[in-house]
Amino acid sequence: SAVISQKPSRDICQRGTSLTIQCQVDSQVTMMFWYRQQPGQSLTLIATANQGSEATYESGFVIDKFPISRPNLTFSTLTVSNMSPEDSSIYLCSVEEVPTSAYNEQFFGPGTRLTVL
Amino acid sequence: GNSVTQMEGPVTLSEEAFLTINCTYTATGYPSLFWYVQYPGEGLQLLLKATKADDKGSNKGFEATYRKETTSFHLEKGSVQVSDSAVYFCAPPMGNTNAGKSTFGDGTTLTVKP
Repeated sequence: SAVISQKPSRDICQRGTSLTIQCQVDSQVTMMFWYRQQPGQSLTLIATANQGSEATYESGFVIDKFPISRPNLTFSTLTVSNMSPEDSSIYLCSVEEVPTSAYNEQFFGPGTRLTVL
Repeated sequence: GNSVTQMEGPVTLSEEAFLTINCTYTATGYPSLFWYVQYPGEGLQLLLKATKADDKGSNKGFEATYRKETTSFHLEKGSVQVSDSAVYFCAPPMGNTNAGKSTFGDGTTLTVKP
C-alpha cells in the first residue's frame, strides 16, 4: 500500500489569493489524482497528473484555475488560484494501486481543508 | 463506462443495530467494486473490496457481496458501534470509468448513538 502525505493540512485564505497544496507519496506511482470534496458532498475528480506530461482536467475544471505540477514519480502540487469562498473545500490527493493489478484500489492522502474568506 | 448509485440521506442508528447501505452499479463486465470510509477529519481509506462477481469483501465486521443478478454491492454490518460513525462511499475502480473519471457514490453519513 502507498502512504500519502499532504501539506498544508488546513489553511484559511483571503479572497483573490492562491494556495499551493503538496502531495508526497512514499513510492513511485504513474498517476496521481486530485479531488475536491465540498462540504457534505462526495468526491469530484479535478484532474489526473501524469509525470512528464500535462495534467488531464475533468469537465468544469481548467488549468488556469487549478494548475498542477508533477515533477517526479513521488510528488505533485495543486494550486488553487484567485480563490473565492466557493473554493472552500477539502482537496484530496490519491494514487492508484500498481497499474498491473486488476484491483485498482486507490490510496488517499489525509486531505487539505481550505477555507476562503 | 462504469458507475455506482448509492443510497442517499444520512443514517442514524443506535449502537448494536443492523446496518445496510445500498449501492448498485452499472458496468460493462464485472469490474472490482470498493467501499471506502472517511472518519471525521480524515481522508478516505479502503474499507473492503470485491474483485469479481459473487465475491464477498469483509473487514472490521462489515461485509458486502458483489451480486451480479441484482447489480448490487450493499454494505452491511450486524452490530454497529459508535466508532463506526463516518461517511461511507461506494466506488468502482479508477481505471474503468467513463473517460477516466472516478464516479464515487454520493456518500452516506452514518451516525451511531450510544
